[in-house]
Amino acid sequence: AQSVTQLDSHVSVSEGTPVLLRCNYSSSYSPSLFWYVQHPNKGLQLLLKYTSAATLVKGINGFEAEFKKSETSFHLTKPSAHMSDAAEYFCVVPNNNDMRFGAGTRLTVKP
Amino acid sequence: ETGVTQSPTHLIKTRGQQVTLRCSSQSGHNTVSWYQQALGQGPQFIFQYYREEENGRGNFPPRFSGLQFPNYSSELNVNALELDDSALYLCASSITTGGSYEQYFGPGTRLTVT
Repeated sequence: AQSVTQLDSHVSVSEGTPVLLRCNYSSSYSPSLFWYVQHPNKGLQLLLKYTSAATLVKGINGFEAEFKKSETSFHLTKPSAHMSDAAEYFCVVPNNNDMRFGAGTRLTVKP
Repeated sequence: ETGVTQSPTHLIKTRGQQVTLRCSSQSGHNTVSWYQQALGQGPQFIFQYYREEENGRGNFPPRFSGLQFPNYSSELNVNALELDDSALYLCASSITTGGSYEQYFGPGTRLTVT
């Protein structure tokens, strides 16, 4: 079965500094991978997806992620954090008919 | 294009009661999946419906059941509610085609069981 592990439950950054949210995946092959964001009391919004085309994937709101097979990682980055980026972020891998979510990383952005 | 909608937004039920949650899928999508998200956790897959048939199920008991209608909207029914059923219930719609896994989520229904 496919699975993902988010390495940090909480990340805190200052506004304007880089963001790094870490995700490792477990799979016997190169899977599709997704990052979703969930703002307080909101549903989940797709940030970006990797589907074995380019290993560097650009998403919405300035986020990007790099698929590294050698490290089984799919870390999410953003060069400069904005206050509106404060939210819960989920790394997700499809497993047959369902999506397997990581436990989530709460991003706090300090002014 | 209309996104995924869910109703109601919030619901309070008593232990032992039954509840029905509703979801309208995004235009053009033929597959609906349901997830349970307990407080502070990631969503957990309940089941998926495709062409009005259950198309995969997670580790949830039979008292969790569902329906998909010809217009691809869906219902989630939970019988004999337990306190641990208190959670955000998310519906996601998608198109079932080869190699396409992208799911679009609704805002969720917050269920509180007292």
